[in-house]
Amino acid sequence: EAEVAQSPRYKITEKSQAVAFWCDPISGHATLYWYRQILGQGPELLVQFQDESVVDDSQLPKDRFSAERLKGVDSTLKIQPAELGDSAMYLCASSLALEGFAYEQYFGPGTRLTVT
Amino acid sequence: TQLLEQSPQFLSIQEGENLTVYCNSSSVFSSLQWYRQEPGEGPVLLVTVVTGGEVKKLKRLTFQFGDARKDSSLHITAAQPGDTGLYLCAVSNTNAGKSTFGDGTTLTVKP
Repeated sequence: EAEVAQSPRYKITEKSQAVAFWCDPISGHATLYWYRQILGQGPELLVQFQDESVVDDSQLPKDRFSAERLKGVDSTLKIQPAELGDSAMYLCASSLALEGFAYEQYFGPGTRLTVT
Repeated sequence: TQLLEQSPQFLSIQEGENLTVYCNSSSVFSSLQWYRQEPGEGPVLLVTVVTGGEVKKLKRLTFQFGDARKDSSLHITAAQPGDTGLYLCAVSNTNAGKSTFGDGTTLTVKP
């Protein structure tokens, strides 16, 4: 069964350092999402790609976060510099549009980031 | 901005009991998904719906969707410890593929 791959699974970094996360979506899924999930809350969309283009990055803190999907396949999310408040689970998901507006999203296992 | 409210926030029950959790939207949605998330893992899709009034069953799980397309419920019959997890609903109302997630219901089923 096809899965969304993410790495690393866990990352501990000191504040002010740079950190990067990688995601490989399910083959053929044109839409890719990066979410941030704080413990006890639902996922919050950071950025959405359609192929290599950014569709929505309205909630991405652009002064420190960047995301790219150069060839429209895998993607990288970067934080520089990391702050204590960035500690969270970072989730990647991909989707294939169904009939109408039903967008079923398939999630990777996530990267648990701890900033010390 | 579409707001999603899930209730209850926490639910702790004994094995074998039945339960219902709810998802309510501030506006009409075009599609809705329910996900289940275990600690330290990503959400896993349970069901998706696009038709108001629809009922879908997945083994012991029954999903109901309101006729007005603003609410949904998830009913679990004879809950098992393996049902423990965070149950999330997500709705979308555009053709841009963007979904809004609720904060979920944390379910604990005690053996």
